[in-house]
Amino acid sequence: DADVTQTPRNRITKTGKRIMLECSQTKGHDRMYWYRQDPGLGLRLIYYSFDVKDINKGEISDGYSVSRQAQAKFSLSLESAIPNQTALYFCATSDPRRALGETQYFGPGTRLLVL
Amino acid sequence: SQQGEEDPQALSIQEGENATMNCSYKTSINNLQWYRQNSGRGLVHLILIRSNEREKHSGRLRVTLDTSKKSSSLLITASRAADTASYFCATAANSKLTFGKGITLSVRP
Repeated sequence: DADVTQTPRNRITKTGKRIMLECSQTKGHDRMYWYRQDPGLGLRLIYYSFDVKDINKGEISDGYSVSRQAQAKFSLSLESAIPNQTALYFCATSDPRRALGETQYFGPGTRLLVL
Repeated sequence: SQQGEEDPQALSIQEGENATMNCSYKTSINNLQWYRQNSGRGLVHLILIRSNEREKHSGRLRVTLDTSKKSSSLLITASRAADTASYFCATAANSKLTFGKGITLSVRP
């Protein structure tokens, strides 16, 4: 869905490096989410934000931080990358004011490899 | 921890057959949703069923929800090769979704 974009799409980095994954949306949704997907484990929630001033930890926030720069932008940072953060990362949005408001809309994902 | 748990983990069927996938969960929910993921791509929402609903249809999709058994099923009728993908159930509570580990569906032409 081009309404939710993620950059970069692929990234290789080294252990100890700080990296940032970015998410932008044109859907006008207030709520944004970051997930990671590992083979056989499904999606797990890292952080979520219900509006620009609201940031919440998810199930697996250790080693990650986020910034909600605007309604449309939500960035995920790995402060000091480690190999077990190698995963597929997804950003998603939702708007509770709409019908079926808890439906989430996903970006295409960022594939991260930490060496 | 995963809330939803799908069954089976993998399913292989012939084109034209029906595919049934099941999901069980543990705690109270507001609604349950099914998503589809083509290999390595973003998830796409398929259908949402609220906790006070028992059955819902959307095109070739039929979803049921039994809150007493804490279970849901997704039926895809007259499957097509293009239905080949991973399918995830997600339970909604406290404005968050919790996903299961997914079911891999292969539809043979």
